[in-house]
Amino acid sequence: KNQVEQSPQSLIILEGKNCTLQCNYTVSPFSNLRWYKQDTGRGPVSLTIMTFSENTKSNGRYTATLDADTKQSSLHITASQLSDSASYICVVVGGSGTYKYIFGTGTRLKVLA
Amino acid sequence: DGGITQSPKYLFRKEGQNVTLSCEQNLNHDAMYWYRQDPGQGLRLIYYSQIVNDFQKGDIAEGYSVSREKKESFPLTVTSAQKNPTAFYLCASSKGGAGTEAFFGQGTRLTVV
Repeated sequence: KNQVEQSPQSLIILEGKNCTLQCNYTVSPFSNLRWYKQDTGRGPVSLTIMTFSENTKSNGRYTATLDADTKQSSLHITASQLSDSASYICVVVGGSGTYKYIFGTGTRLKVLA
Repeated sequence: DGGITQSPKYLFRKEGQNVTLSCEQNLNHDAMYWYRQDPGQGLRLIYYSQIVNDFQKGDIAEGYSVSREKKESFPLTVTSAQKNPTAFYLCASSKGGAGTEAFFGQGTRLTVV
């Protein structure tokens, strides 16, 4: 069964600290993996998109990694800010013409001053 | 100002009534999607459309209907047959294809009273 699992479910950190969110998936065939940031009550906003051949991609203080062999991805947030408080959703897009998006349940991050 | 717009932001419906959620995009995207988001669950696909006048059921289409008469518009009707309609509904669009980025609207929170 195609699944995307994220950990931890929730995380609280102090402003200025780094953190890493995890995503494991069983989706096959695989096309690409995306990380989205979703503020409460808003739509998700794309942070990164990685294909099979890419193992790291950065977007400002956000760095995503992908290990297609172990089917794992991580999102590292550097020098966290209060505005980073949000849910972070890992999405795996299936391949072979289906292009189906499989969504993880998200990690809810709270950054405290 | 390009983007994808959902309206209304909040919607209240009496049991037994149909209600229509609006989704408009001016990004010239071919593909549009409707998702439902419930607490503790990943986004689930209700319907999607890859081209005007064509749409396909997603994973949880029962109790919902859509139309795609114009490229810019993809309204979702939540019918009285939907047993548990209270949720956060998200509309998205993309140029099409697995590698293209999906842009999300700001969502509509539907509450059945």
